[in-house]
Amino acid sequence: NAGVTQTPKFQVLKTGQSMTLQCAQDMNHNSMYWYRQDPGMGLRLIYYSASEGTTDKGEVPNGYNVSRLNKREFSLRLESAAPSQTSVYFCASSDWQGAFQPQHFGDGTRLSIL
Amino acid sequence: RKEVEQDPGPFNVPEGATVAFNCTYSNSASQSFFWYRQDCRKEPKLLMSVYSSGNEDGRFTAQLNRASQYISLLIRDSKLSDSATYLCVGTNTGGFKTIFGAGTRLFVKA
Repeated sequence: NAGVTQTPKFQVLKTGQSMTLQCAQDMNHNSMYWYRQDPGMGLRLIYYSASEGTTDKGEVPNGYNVSRLNKREFSLRLESAAPSQTSVYFCASSDWQGAFQPQHFGDGTRLSIL
Repeated sequence: RKEVEQDPGPFNVPEGATVAFNCTYSNSASQSFFWYRQDCRKEPKLLMSVYSSGNEDGRFTAQLNRASQYISLLIRDSKLSDSATYLCVGTNTGGFKTIFGAGTRLFVKA
């Protein structure tokens, strides 16, 4: 049972390069999320997709774009990477069953931008 | 002021001790709350949901005080394996916007 799978696990980029972080879940969840985690900051929501076909900004969306490709997959794109985007990125998914359900997380992508 | 605030700690306690964490939230629209556990360099994992009436799961007890806008986590009979960072989370109904606290670090010593 894979749960939430993120690729790649590690990546080093140069300033100005672009890349896409991939996320897939096999739990048939409707909602998916992208977070970044920086030391001492906790997790901050970048974008979320409440259901297939919809995406919305979270707390820190600047510099990122997302695509909800289908119910399973939610990708995060950095168009022009900046050193300030060095972070650990987590994807998560959850369902809605009459009340907000807890989120299940992937094991993260560690991204360094030089 | 952060929407969800936690004492960052660290809390250093001996095995067998009881330890309590508090978390305050500023958005009165927040409806659902959770405690997550995060081990070093790992993903957060759900510890427990927090219900209005309070709830218990083994050695762990969670409480919600809406009037004072805080949630708490009590860990009884601490184990070495409880050493981790504990994150509190609030979310508003229907909005899917979740706000994490920065986490409280716990070290349990032999």
